[in-house]
Amino acid sequence: DAGITQSPRHKVTETGTPVTLRCHQTENHRYMYWYRQDPGHGLRLIHYSYGVKDTDKGEVSDGYSVSRSKTEDFLLTLESATSSQTSVYFCATSGYRLAGEVVTGDEQYFGPGTRLTVT
Amino acid sequence: GQNIDQPTEMTATEGAIVQINCTYQTSGFNGLFWYQQHAGEAPTFLSYNVLDGLEEKGRFSSFLSRSKGYSYLLLKELQMKDSASYLCAVTEYGNKLVFGAGTILRVKS
Repeated sequence: DAGITQSPRHKVTETGTPVTLRCHQTENHRYMYWYRQDPGHGLRLIHYSYGVKDTDKGEVSDGYSVSRSKTEDFLLTLESATSSQTSVYFCATSGYRLAGEVVTGDEQYFGPGTRLTVT
Repeated sequence: GQNIDQPTEMTATEGAIVQINCTYQTSGFNGLFWYQQHAGEAPTFLSYNVLDGLEEKGRFSSFLSRSKGYSYLLLKELQMKDSASYLCAVTEYGNKLVFGAGTILRVKS
């Protein structure tokens, strides 16, 4: 397994406050991702990064921003937390490989998750 | 658009075989992944299919038909520890995964 840690693991915050979640990896993987997981919706991509300072939006990016100033760290910021952002947040990383004649992505490794409650 | 469908829940008996289906409609296709997720834990990688056919890995096998937009995960010799959610995910392009909502598998003795 990739060495991926997330901090904090649990957080309770009030509506309107900014929150930053941190993901740290020791595998030197190029790609990093932030997902949220909610009952009935599965995992949904918030933002992802394909290199240092290179990020892009995912499916549910409104209200979130990210930064990646070095390979090992990917930060997710909730600019002004709302109750709808109560969720479990997972970070993931992946490399890149060739599979036969097909250039494709590698499997994603997930961090342990952060349970965020916005009251 | 993108759509990935899996059954919401399944129940099977210890020692039996169970097949979890996944159908997908996505704008691109670069491979299909299956992940296992136990309650309260992170998803862990099970299998990857990019070409048609069956990939076998111990008690778990995964099948893909790209022309039908269809995959299944086959679990043999079910054990109680196999009780978990099973997530189907498709790589549309690049390294972005689109996940289905997952199938909760309950194994009973």
